[in-house]
Amino acid sequence: GAGVSQTPSNKVTEKGKYVELRCDPISGHTALYWYRQSLGQGPEFLIYFQGTGAADDSGLPNDRFFAVRPEGSVSTLKIQRTERGDSAVYLCASSLTLSSGYNEQFFGPGTRLTVL
Amino acid sequence: DAKTTQPTSMDCAEGRAANLPCNHSTISGNEYVYWYRQIHSQGPQYIIHGLKNNETNEMASLIITEDRKSSTLILPHATLRDTAVYYCIVRPRPGNRDDKIIFGKGTRLHILP
Repeated sequence: GAGVSQTPSNKVTEKGKYVELRCDPISGHTALYWYRQSLGQGPEFLIYFQGTGAADDSGLPNDRFFAVRPEGSVSTLKIQRTERGDSAVYLCASSLTLSSGYNEQFFGPGTRLTVL
Repeated sequence: DAKTTQPTSMDCAEGRAANLPCNHSTISGNEYVYWYRQIHSQGPQYIIHGLKNNETNEMASLIITEDRKSSTLILPHATLRDTAVYYCIVRPRPGNRDDKIIFGKGTRLHILP
């Protein structure tokens, strides 16, 4: 079956511009996560959605970052006034939410964002 | 901060068993040990998890010490495709609302032909 997909795969933008990154989770997965991965580092948590609502946005670095999931499926990560330090691979993951049993997160291939 | 400590890198000959250690001395009673790996240019992939018993699946085996302060991931017959960064992660019990994964830097495993 189809896995998590992310578009675009690569995005190059200029400092100060606005970007949107899209994540299509696995069908039926109620939980969706965004992570950011800088070169040589492990992924860093940004935000977690349960359905349409953000259950935990404690990882968003500042108010330039915002994410939505209006219908509880596709999610968009939005970055305003991009800075060179925002350059990273942005990973999306989804999982089922179960009352018991493990809820493995399935990751997409990521969007590589480069801010010039 | 990640609650685990792993070696930065390891080498293993193709066909041999790869044993990846992880220290998690501050693990609490309701926390599980998970392993993920990340092949170059891909997202992380789940491998295995366990609480206190040893676990085995089609990908790997997980050996957790009796005091649960450390564990070892074993890839029984490593292939070149197993070259990746391996992350050892401690997480609350499944289904917890606080479900984010805290990744460390992992171990970069090189399988040598």
